[in-house]
Formats: sequence, C-alpha cells, structure tokens
Amino acid sequence: DTEVTQTPKHLVMGMTNKKSLKCEQHMGHRAMYWYKQKAKKPPELMFVYSYEKLSINESVPSRFSPECPNSSLLNLHLHALQPEDSALYLCASSQVGGGGGNTEAFFGQGTRLTVV
Amino acid sequence: AQKITQTQPGMFVQEKEAVTLDCTYDTSDQSYGLFWYKQPSSGEMIFLIYQGSYDEQNATEGRYSLNFQKARKSANLVISASQLGDSAMYFCASSKGSSNTGKLIFGQGTTLQVKP
Repeated sequence: DTEVTQTPKHLVMGMTNKKSLKCEQHMGHRAMYWYKQKAKKPPELMFVYSYEKLSINESVPSRFSPECPNSSLLNLHLHALQPEDSALYLCASSQVGGGGGNTEAFFGQGTRLTVV
Repeated sequence: AQKITQTQPGMFVQEKEAVTLDCTYDTSDQSYGLFWYKQPSSGEMIFLIYQGSYDEQNATEGRYSLNFQKARKSANLVISASQLGDSAMYFCASSKGSSNTGKLIFGQGTTLQVKP
C-alpha cells in the first residue's frame, strides 16, 4: 500500500468556522508533512512531523494548527481562516532519512479548500 | 539557501516524441537529493524519479530519465515516447541532506501538453 489518503477532497468554510483536514498513511513512514499550494504555484511546506513530534513550523499563522495523534494520522485544524487561505492542501509522508538512497515522499490528492 | 529554477513555464510535445524539461538548482550542501514530480489536474503529486548528489549514474525509471550534470547544477527530466496521459504540471524539487526527505523545495513548475 503506497497511498496517502486525504479527507475531505473538497471543503468550503466560512471565516468563523472550525474545520479539520485529515491525512492517513499505512506505509510505516515516521515523517509526515503539510504543504499549501496556491493555483499555478509550487507547493510550500507548512509543517513537518518526525516521529509524531512537530519538528518544523514554517512560520505558519496560528489559525492553522497541526496534530499528529499517531504514526499513521496527521490532522490540520482550521479556525478563523481568511479568503486568501483558499488553496490546495497536500499531505505527504516519507521515511525519516539518514541512510541515503531513494526515500521519496508520497503525496495525497489534497484537499481543495475554499474560504468564503 | 536552496533554490530550484525551472525556466520553461509551458512546453508542447508531439505524441511519441521525447521531451526535456529543464531544472537547475543552487545549493551549498554536499549531500542533497533531486526529485521530479508530476501533478495532473486532479492535484496529486506523483513521484517520478530521484537522483542523489553522490550518485554517479543518471537515474532512469521506465520512460523517465534524469540528466544529472553536477558541475552545471542541472537535473533535467527526459520523457521518452510521450503519451497523452503525460500532459500535466511537472515540478523539480530538492531535499536538504539525507534527512526528512519530504522537506522539499520546489521549482515553479513546467506545464507539459502532449499533442495527438
């Protein structure tokens, strides 16, 4: 199973709503990531979890709150978002590197978020 | 800081022909990885090919090959025998060192259109 599953695929939310994005993988990967991608732009890293601990926060506003309940799950909690936060949110997972070799990241299909 | 440059915003190729997508990178790291991902309109980032900075041979994966020229800091993707299903956005990306290989820096991407 080389799949990263993200739910929901589409989400429309108001600026006062609270919602969560979910990501799941069963590849035994111990590193998981959230990326944000605006239309026709490259993905930009938001958060990195390594062994279920937050290791990197790329100066993301606090209205985005990540959570890694276990080694297979990654959530992104959303609260008081702005219309400019509308984007494709991609989850990825990989082995934690260090031994060299090909340890590519596997991405989910993303959640297309629209903030109204 | 690492930087990935893709100078071709859009490319056209005739079906069954070969096409080269350009990628140059800028890094002062000795150890790094270079990746190519394909992103169809569905949004999922699909891993295509990987090249490690210490790999002496160019990577190949089926119809994909990576033309790695370390001295020129280039990592061009060659797609042979193009198919209509190859129409997508293609991103070149790099990872820092050999840890957290999902921590990727992406280029701006190249949109490839395959003509029948």
